[in-house]
Amino acid sequence: GENVEQHPSTLSVQEGDSAVIKCTYSDSASNYFPWYKQELGKGPQLIIDIRSNVGEKKDQRIAVTLNKTAKHFSLHITETQPEDSAVYFCAAKNTGNQFYFGTGTSLTVIP
Amino acid sequence: DAGVIQSPRHEVTEMGQEVTLRCKPISGHNSLFWYRQTMMRGLELLIYFNNNVPIDDSGMPEDRFSAKMPNASFSTLKIQPSEPRDSAVYFCASHPRGEVAGELFFGEGSRLTVL
Repeated sequence: GENVEQHPSTLSVQEGDSAVIKCTYSDSASNYFPWYKQELGKGPQLIIDIRSNVGEKKDQRIAVTLNKTAKHFSLHITETQPEDSAVYFCAAKNTGNQFYFGTGTSLTVIP
Repeated sequence: DAGVIQSPRHEVTEMGQEVTLRCKPISGHNSLFWYRQTMMRGLELLIYFNNNVPIDDSGMPEDRFSAKMPNASFSTLKIQPSEPRDSAVYFCASHPRGEVAGELFFGEGSRLTVL
């Protein structure tokens, strides 16, 4: 099965700085890579996603890059704000409709 | 749409008791997933259903856990008997099967504490 690894597990940045979270996956058949944000006491919510036929996608301050050859993808948050503080999960989905999640990154943005 | 609805939000029970968690997926979604979240293991897939049929239950920890989906709008996860190590947040999520992409929608979770 798929194995998704995520780093770092914790990340602290100053407000206004950038944050980068990286994930690797093992199954070359995985074709969809979403990122979820989980705030305290809530369920994870999708913030951005990318399909395997695209190398990069951007939505305002967040962007995701995908390197299919190396089997890794990354989340980039620019101009971080305190409300970006949360736990972020990467995931990989294969053709079998299963989502495999990374272990999460706890991001703290220091005002 | 109200989103994925889970109940109860919080459950405190004693070891040995039966626990039933409930989930109502988003209308029209025909894939349903149960996840367990702990600090140690993160988000673990327990079981998922397509069109009410269990497809993969390899993540169910042991026979004490069972899940059912009697119809497209309702699923249960049952633990009998419960143990302290079952304490976790249990999430239900639904997805419009057949789409390569498409958001996996999570409920707010059921926080279970087994004393």
